[in-house]
Amino acid sequence: DGGITQSPKYLFRKEGQNVTLSCEQNLNHDAMYWYRQDPGQGLRLIYYSQIVNDFQKGDIAEGYSVSREKKESFPLTVTSAQKNPTAFYLCASSKQNMNTEAFFGQGTRLTVV
Amino acid sequence: AQTVTQSQPEMSVQEAETVTLSCTYDTSENNYYLFWYKQPPSRQMILVIRQEAYKQQNATENRFSVNFQKAAKSFSLKISDSQLGDTAMYFCAFMKGQGAQKLVFGQGTRLTINP
Repeated sequence: DGGITQSPKYLFRKEGQNVTLSCEQNLNHDAMYWYRQDPGQGLRLIYYSQIVNDFQKGDIAEGYSVSREKKESFPLTVTSAQKNPTAFYLCASSKQNMNTEAFFGQGTRLTVV
Repeated sequence: AQTVTQSQPEMSVQEAETVTLSCTYDTSENNYYLFWYKQPPSRQMILVIRQEAYKQQNATENRFSVNFQKAAKSFSLKISDSQLGDTAMYFCAFMKGQGAQKLVFGQGTRLTINP
């Protein structure tokens, strides 16, 4: 079945450590996105990529990094520079024009202790 | 920059009732798209309905319909004959028609359908 997969579902890390969240899609979508979800703030865009080997910062990119070496994969690294990394992270993908529909993964809950 | 505002943090209705969720947005664009996404307790985001700004006719998907008022920049979602499975967070979202293809979300409305 086609879809978008995030792993792991839950992730715990010690403060000061970098951590990478995985996002894989087999929908043959060109565009991929990372959002952060906090209570009462909706979803905020971290990074997005509309084509392989290219990506752009979203509204809250500080403390995060991404890569897009393959069409199917768009991993997100939460670095130690991110001041408040504990959150729910959602990955999405869409055809080049997102006005059709964006497909979301099931999310990763990151807890930094 | 575009902004999306959902002024109702929480709503609660009885099963089978009709409920309307509010959404306003701010943009200088003339060509754009609007969406309502549902996030049930599983946290899986699901597209409920979409509206193209250039279309005057309001979108409808079964029990879900929108009231799109372009001049007022308002985009409300009406759920008819509400069901227990409609219990979820609902997010209104905006996307420009040209340029960077990214969704801008509102803060969300938590909707509870009571039996």
